[in-house]
Amino acid sequence: DIQMTQSPSSLSASLGDRVTITCRASQSISNYLNWYQQKPGRAPKVLIYAASSLQSGVPSRFSGSGFGTDFTLTVSSLQPEDFATYYCQQAYSAPLTFGGGTKVEIK
Amino acid sequence: EVQVVESGGGLVQPGGSLRLSCAVSGFTFSTYWMSWVRQAPGKGLEWVANIKEDGSEKYYVDSVKGRFTISRDNAKNSLYLQMNSLRAEDTAIYYCARLWGGYCNNTNCHGFVYFDNWGQGTLVTVSS
Repeated sequence: DIQMTQSPSSLSASLGDRVTITCRASQSISNYLNWYQQKPGRAPKVLIYAASSLQSGVPSRFSGSGFGTDFTLTVSSLQPEDFATYYCQQAYSAPLTFGGGTKVEIK
Repeated sequence: EVQVVESGGGLVQPGGSLRLSCAVSGFTFSTYWMSWVRQAPGKGLEWVANIKEDGSEKYYVDSVKGRFTISRDNAKNSLYLQMNSLRAEDTAIYYCARLWGGYCNNTNCHGFVYFDNWGQGTLVTVSS
């Protein structure tokens, strides 16, 4: 199974900050990498697919990059509704696996 | 508007059984692979099972193989998860989700696959 490792596991940031979350795969996954946002008590919501493609309806302040084993999710200017937990997920091979999550909290 | 609504969760003793249901509307259910994904309390996400559009192929995470069965009824726009021999480590919120962009079999994925529509989840608690 492909292991997905996210860092940091949590971070504190202020409104307007630029935030970057990292996801590393245990082997090369090309660009088969997705990012989800989950708010407390809610289901996850896909933000980015294929490493850098923005899902319809997702604000453009979210962006993704990377290829192979190292990927990043960036929020260019943190908004109040962005405080949540973010997960990466590989779609290169079965079983589909997720990273452990990064919780973004208010500083 | 796409709607995905799970039901059937609850408290069950170790070794017991439970059947989860997922009612779908707003899209042509019979043309999509569907999945169950779970999340233990305070933990991350874990894919559980996939099922092909017509129900002819089913795949599971190793930890539930032989105990869980995914199925669907396209006439009723419904997905199911029969869970037998439940263990404490199966305690989680179970989400029904549509698989978009392709599919995954036992070893490979085809296409840029992701979960694009999720239900609100149903909580399964396995405890004596």
